[in-house]
Amino acid sequence: EAGVAQSPRYKIIEKRQSVAFWCNPISGHATLYWYQQILGQGPKLLIQFQNNGVVDDSQLPKDRFSAERLKGVDSTLKIQPAKLEDSAVYLCASSTGSGAEEQFFGPGTRLTVL
Amino acid sequence: KQEVTQIPAALSVPEGENLVLNCSFTDSAIYNLQWFRQDPGKGLTSLLLIQSSQREQTSGRLNASLDKSSGRSTLYIAASQPGDSATYLCAVTSGTYKYIFGTGTRLKVLA
Repeated sequence: EAGVAQSPRYKIIEKRQSVAFWCNPISGHATLYWYQQILGQGPKLLIQFQNNGVVDDSQLPKDRFSAERLKGVDSTLKIQPAKLEDSAVYLCASSTGSGAEEQFFGPGTRLTVL
Repeated sequence: KQEVTQIPAALSVPEGENLVLNCSFTDSAIYNLQWFRQDPGKGLTSLLLIQSSQREQTSGRLNASLDKSSGRSTLYIAASQPGDSATYLCAVTSGTYKYIFGTGTRLKVLA
């Protein structure tokens, strides 16, 4: 069974530029999560999708971050414009449901904002 | 509000030692607790998942225990090896089913 796929693996941009990350969850997983992990900290949930609907985006900085999951499969996370403090690893995870099921994580995208 | 703490923040041990990593959480009403391993610049690898009704889980040299009433979990690593060097994260699921992560323990096993 293929795992969660993410791209790109690394991205370096200058502040005020835009960037987008892509995630392909495990086949059949209804729930998709985006986490932000700042160096030295644990991952923090940004947004949770159940199929193509948003379940929780309470910690998403909506003035600059946006995410979508068209057709309930792949998802993209966008930052526009980026700030220095957005430098982090962005992790995507998926699970079969939106309850307490185990989440499976992708390799992450490391973003550096200069 | 659920908070998860991991102690120590960093640990360095000689190869072959048995060691214990600690995770504590403030709200005992959890659904499950999971231990992850993270190598530098990489994603999370699941090690052990303990459901709230369970007391422990074992996989190879790893054993994780859960004491919900005291808000604690420990990850025991037997006969540590240099390949065990990584950051170990614990996460709990509670309330709205979100994973709440600790800040991790950076482990270095010296050859």
